[in-house]
Amino acid sequence: GAVVSQHPSRVICKSGTSVKIECRSLDFQATTMFWYRQFPKKSLMLMATSNEGSKATYEQGVEKDKFLINHASLTLSTLTVTSAHPEDSSFYICSAPQFGLAGGNNEQFFGPGTRLTVL
Amino acid sequence: GNSVTQMEGPVTLSEEAFLTINCTYTATGYPSLFWYVQYPGEGLQLLLKATKADDKGSNKGFEATYRKETTSFHLEKGSVQVSDSAVYFCALSANRGSTLGRLYFGRGTQLTVWP
Repeated sequence: GAVVSQHPSRVICKSGTSVKIECRSLDFQATTMFWYRQFPKKSLMLMATSNEGSKATYEQGVEKDKFLINHASLTLSTLTVTSAHPEDSSFYICSAPQFGLAGGNNEQFFGPGTRLTVL
Repeated sequence: GNSVTQMEGPVTLSEEAFLTINCTYTATGYPSLFWYVQYPGEGLQLLLKATKADDKGSNKGFEATYRKETTSFHLEKGSVQVSDSAVYFCALSANRGSTLGRLYFGRGTQLTVWP
């Protein structure tokens, strides 16, 4: 199947700094990508839908100024955690849908995730 | 709205035991249903899917049938292996509307298989 990569896989930062996480579709183009946050022993929470060429759509309760999303090209979306605090520590996962477009039947391909630890 | 309720874990089984992980859903319209698996330290991978009522998804010995009358999509495997140890997520995807394509996940079930 298609491959989605994330970089970095792990990051440790000090409180107050900003961290950028990249999500790339390696062998296909994705108009839409999704960003999830996974808490320990809990499910994935959709944070936002990243749209190439337009603004991201954020889920209720997710601070758009805190979690900046930029879909710079058809193969790259970035999530920047601004002024990170310890409560932002989590596992962040991105996905891109099959055929690059969000469709109900379409499989989604997930990145391996980024473990963020804020000290 | 759309939501998925998944059997709480963890589930611990001996090798070759029968596995069932229950999953029920609520949805507007007719969603597609998925099971994803997450092996330790890895991202989620699609295990199987079903796109309409009575469809059966199957892969690697796992099966799940889309039951519209009971709004269920239970995951089963007749004989589990140690290598099946992972976290399993049930998910649905809306097939229309503004939420087209987004996945709604259950909370995940940790499966541990002992030799």
